[in-house]
Amino acid sequence: DAKTTQPTSMDCAEGRAANLPCNHSTISGNEYVYWYRQIHSQGPQYIIHGLKNNETNEMASLIITEDRKSSTLILPHATLRDTAVYYCIVRKILTGGGNKLTFGTGTQLKVEL
Amino acid sequence: GAVVSQHPSWVICKSGTSVKIECRSLDFQATTMFWYRQFPKQSLMLMATSNEGSKATYEQGVEKDKFLINHASLTLSTLTVTSAHPEDSSFYICSARGAEAFFGQGTRLTVV
Repeated sequence: DAKTTQPTSMDCAEGRAANLPCNHSTISGNEYVYWYRQIHSQGPQYIIHGLKNNETNEMASLIITEDRKSSTLILPHATLRDTAVYYCIVRKILTGGGNKLTFGTGTQLKVEL
Repeated sequence: GAVVSQHPSWVICKSGTSVKIECRSLDFQATTMFWYRQFPKQSLMLMATSNEGSKATYEQGVEKDKFLINHASLTLSTLTVTSAHPEDSSFYICSARGAEAFFGQGTRLTVV
């Protein structure tokens, strides 16, 4: 699976949009971009994933550049509860439940008043 | 959404004893589950892939005789840390399901 690069940390004011970047310049054509987050002392939580089109769900939006070498996770109105480590992971979708994930260091997002 | 439950949430044990951690898929069947370990201020590291009805696949550097994995049913995988030592103290997390991996809440193991 392709390697990703994320900033170590980011701050965001509550109520503002949080834009979390991820570089994945070695991504291959059959690899998806996944985002998870981990609130302190909890298991990771799936947020969103995409292949090449932008995606949106109730949690966030995912913007993938046309060349697919980078992406941005957008939390439109960040709250204090969004404070967490956000992981960007690139991987193929495997059949048979083979969904092992390789976690990088992620971005520590701190949402402040 | 799918739920994966781990038990216990935390455990403290004496050095030399064994500890069993359970990972259950509550509303779906999981032929494959994954066990991760996370040390403080570090990322999750995959330990092993648990396969229902067959032997687990361990990542390089993970001792299979120390971290025993059993996946006897489609809804339960267990990780047993045998002869635990303080350096085994960590946050252990399991996951299951396909494209959208679902994770348990994690188990904080402290070996004293």
